[in-house]
Amino acid sequence: GESVGLHLPTLSVQEGDNSIINCAYSNSASDYFIWYKQESGKGPQFIIDIRSNMDKRQGQRVTVLLNKTVKHLSLQIAATQPGDSAVYFCAESPQYGNKLVFGAGTILRVKS
Amino acid sequence: DSGVTQTPKHLITATGQRVTLRCSPRSGDLSVYWYQQSLDQGLQFLIQYYNGEERAKGNILERFSAQQFPDLHSELNLSSLELGDSALYFCASSSTGADSPLHFGNGTRLTVT
Repeated sequence: GESVGLHLPTLSVQEGDNSIINCAYSNSASDYFIWYKQESGKGPQFIIDIRSNMDKRQGQRVTVLLNKTVKHLSLQIAATQPGDSAVYFCAESPQYGNKLVFGAGTILRVKS
Repeated sequence: DSGVTQTPKHLITATGQRVTLRCSPRSGDLSVYWYQQSLDQGLQFLIQYYNGEERAKGNILERFSAQQFPDLHSELNLSSLELGDSALYFCASSSTGADSPLHFGNGTRLTVT
């Protein structure tokens, strides 16, 4: 999952630790947000989404936090595993639209 | 497996040529999106179709065109290809036009030589 981008930020974590990936979004009119995971040679894979009327949403081992005041989104992965190694993208969508705008991505490396 | 199928997986062609990329959306999805992913630009939205009609346009060049057919599959046509068009092209689909996640195929890697 590291084939995208030459200058992406990288987060290295030890297997079993929790990971936090951050994203600053740009459009204050965006009201729908998604996190995607992209492994090498594959398309982006949906992880979790959140709407602007929420500030937290939990899935299996993942939690997304939304802070609209500072236009910040984060993805927390609990008990990170080697299979979590990939590039992670946040994406935002404007109100009433579904044209997702993607962030640049963050490389997550999990050390065993 | 997202359920979105893209063909071909790889395409190598020369400058000036024209290629067609094909996408079959997930069963039941009416919306199809095309994205371009390059090393220096990230994932860029190109165009969206909903039930055969163009719904939204992004940074799509005039040399590029797309369509969605009655059976909901979509094709992206790239013509007068340039070296800079080399990239991964992804198709995604969703069930509705708003506030639903996009499900991506595994892309077509286009190399223009």
